[in-house]
Amino acid sequence: DQQVKQNSPSLSVQEGRISILNCDYTNSMFDYFLWYKKYPAEGPTFLISISSIKDKNEDGRFTVFLNKSAKHLSLHIVPSQPGDSAVYFCAASAYNNDMRFGAGTRLTVKP
Amino acid sequence: KAGVTQTPRYLIKTRGQQVTLSCSPISGHRSVSWYQQTPGQGLQFLFEYFSETQRNKGNFPGRFSGRQFSNSRSEMNVSTLELGDSALYLCASSAGGQGVVEKLFFGSGTQLSVL
Repeated sequence: DQQVKQNSPSLSVQEGRISILNCDYTNSMFDYFLWYKKYPAEGPTFLISISSIKDKNEDGRFTVFLNKSAKHLSLHIVPSQPGDSAVYFCAASAYNNDMRFGAGTRLTVKP
Repeated sequence: KAGVTQTPRYLIKTRGQQVTLSCSPISGHRSVSWYQQTPGQGLQFLFEYFSETQRNKGNFPGRFSGRQFSNSRSEMNVSTLELGDSALYLCASSAGGQGVVEKLFFGSGTQLSVL
């Protein structure tokens, strides 16, 4: 039962351009959403989050947008850098310490 | 502060065997969650422990079990291993406050291969 879905397994963008990673969820009880980044041979690390009372949260080059009616969120990276190449996981939680993750999107930023 | 530590880093087992994985959370963190990562499936939630009690559980068979000790360290056990259990097993810790969402801090994982 995949409650959090990332339908694009991979994304390739040119350095300096915008990267847009998408995520959909099915559980309307989810109230908090997070993005994690994972490099090979390392555990995922927290990147940015957003609560359901907001529709946008920005942190430097990273912005997360939430469309609650569509049960959709996206992560924008502007400008993209080669060091951003990693697997990005979308996660969601209903304030019950049970965090669910998507399948991940592998981002490749080409110099 | 030391990060989340998982041991062993790599493990090779054969079908039918059992395996125990260990996780030491960040000092002061009382919640430990376990995830299975496989290609295409992402991170699948196994269970979460807080103060030695299983607080949340995912949709895995009973062959997967865990426990947490009084020092918050956690172990995960898989019995009667199957080929499909080959995966990266990730442990994550957080302070674990009730009713709040806290970011998880992950270890580097244990790569389990079942032959």
